[in-house]
Amino acid sequence: QKEVEQNSGPLSVPEGAIASLNCTYSDRGSQSFFWYRQYSGKSPELIMSIYSNGDKEDGRFTAQLNKASQYVSLLIRDSQPSDSATYLCAVIVAGTASKLTFGTGTRLQVTL
Amino acid sequence: EAGVTQSPTHLIKTRGQQATLRCSPISGHTSVYWYQQALGLGLQFLLWYDEGEERNRGNFPPRFSGRQFPNYSSELNVNALELEDSALYLCASSLGQISNQPQHFGDGTRLSIL
Repeated sequence: QKEVEQNSGPLSVPEGAIASLNCTYSDRGSQSFFWYRQYSGKSPELIMSIYSNGDKEDGRFTAQLNKASQYVSLLIRDSQPSDSATYLCAVIVAGTASKLTFGTGTRLQVTL
Repeated sequence: EAGVTQSPTHLIKTRGQQATLRCSPISGHTSVYWYQQALGLGLQFLLWYDEGEERNRGNFPPRFSGRQFPNYSSELNVNALELEDSALYLCASSLGQISNQPQHFGDGTRLSIL
């Protein structure tokens, strides 16, 4: 079982809709969770960090964490074509001392 | 505030050569991380440096090495280059050894092995 799993997509949503991106992780001791956005040929850009159960909102982005279900998600409201990118879920697994473990990413396509 | 800077942007080498990649962290950040992103693969953790010391290492052979300088900048050295080393090498930085601090990435060095 991979430590961090994401559906590779592509996830296609129409402009203005809500995009829902999901991520599961295997280590129950994981403490810190991050979402990065990566445009093709570019480096990852931090969008959100979340550390405790519940929701965290920042503009059009909402991160949701459920440690009991080992599940973290990212909602993008009012999706724009500029949101089309690969979204990477990253986790700091307990005992790995700051090492980020990444999922393989979900490719999001926002259509006009 | 300047972000993480990496040089060179592109690097072309042949098999068996040695490559040196450089990274300057965000001002105030003492931790530097190196990741490899090979085509079609996810980001793989290579090395973590903090306060001049190697703190953690990923599952890469010893020919991948590095160091961190007193000004917190870092070098990644790859010896005896192999074709499979062709990848985007990303450097990230964060505040100190606090494990939950977000890591911010530079634009990367694309290493091509001919």
